[in-house]
Formats: sequence, C-alpha cells, structure tokens
Amino acid sequence: AQSVTQLDSHVSVSEGTPVLLRCNYSSSYSPSLFWYVQHPNKGLQLLLKYTSAATLVKGINGFEAEFKKSETSFHLTKPSAHMSDAAEYFCVVSDNSGTYKYIFGTGTRLKVLA
Amino acid sequence: DVKVTQSSRYLVKRTGEKVFLECVQDMDHENMFWYRQDPGLGLRLIYFSYDVKMKEKGDIPEGYSVSREKKERFSLILESASTNQTSMYLCASSAPGTGRAQYFGPGTRLLVL
Repeated sequence: AQSVTQLDSHVSVSEGTPVLLRCNYSSSYSPSLFWYVQHPNKGLQLLLKYTSAATLVKGINGFEAEFKKSETSFHLTKPSAHMSDAAEYFCVVSDNSGTYKYIFGTGTRLKVLA
Repeated sequence: DVKVTQSSRYLVKRTGEKVFLECVQDMDHENMFWYRQDPGLGLRLIYFSYDVKMKEKGDIPEGYSVSREKKERFSLILESASTNQTSMYLCASSAPGTGRAQYFGPGTRLLVL
C-alpha cells in the first residue's frame, strides 16, 4: 500500500531565506515521487520527479529534492525563497506496481514574507 | 512542453443540467485522468483512461461518466448536476505505463446552483 505524508500544512519563510517542505512516503514497490506547485485558482505544475535515477533531483525555479530510501523521505528545498514561490505544494507518490494510482499529499501552503 | 487545456476556466450551471467538461492534451499521451479538488479533501480521482474508448473508475465515480473517443480528448460528464458537485475539476495526462509524471490542465471551477 502507498501513502504520503506532508509533515507541515503551513510554512512561512522570509524572502531570501531557505525553503524546506517535508514529505515522507511509504510504498510496497519502488516508488516514483513528484512535487507539484499550485498557485491560487490554477492547475498543478510539475516541479520535479524522481523515477529511480539520481537521488538528488533538480527541478524548475531553483527547487530540488533528495530521495532518501532509508528515511522514506523526499523533502523539497530551495536555497533562497522568492515572493513568487508563495503557493501550495503537493508531494505525490506512484508505486510502479502496474496500477494507475497516484497518492497525493494534503499539501503545504508556503507563505513568503517580505 | 506538454500542454493540457480545459474547455472552461469557470462554469455556472443549474441543478439537474447535464454538464460537459472537456480536456485536450497535445503530447500523444495514452493516460488521461479527471480529479476533483475540494478544500480539506485534497485531490480525488473520478475516472481515468489508459487508451481510446477505455475507462476505469476512480475513487468517486458516482454521478459522473466519461468519454474518450479520440486519444487527445477526455470528457467528463455530469449527467444531472447537483450542488455537491460544485468543485474545482482538474484534468491530467501522462505517458504510457505506470509511475509517469502527470501533467495538469488549468482547472475548471464549477458552481452548481
């Protein structure tokens, strides 16, 4: 069975400081993991994906995430927050077991303070 | 770049109306999905399709049907709209196989009065 837990529902950072959004997962199979961003009244935009290649994954807009199998984590980071990063972020897992099931986290709302 | 478009950004309908939401993708993806997104409930899968004319029920198919006559187009149909179907509807597509990245459309915010 798959599950995904986003450990923080809200995160606030100051502009120019690092961002850390935490995600833990469980999967019976080798997982694919994704981070998406959603701005208000918009669709979900793919930030980055892990599909069993390099464990450190670089995405768009300066975001990156590290797959840590021993910790079952896939945390999203960015060295320096920008005002435009304020949005909701979703961690998603799919377990490559032959189903078309994607499990979405409950989301983390990122606030960036000027 | 993958492009997924949805026919309307905002839609207002009356209870009992038949509602069509259309989704088109331009990347020749086999898989297409319909989700609804509600505050506190997250994204829930309504239906998905892994090929033309093929469809599978998701977690909440009641009150909905789908149509996939062409590979690039996946339609969601509300047979008789009800107020509890007021929601944000998101379409997505992905390449064949499992565990692939989904690409989402901009969403349709539906209000049923």
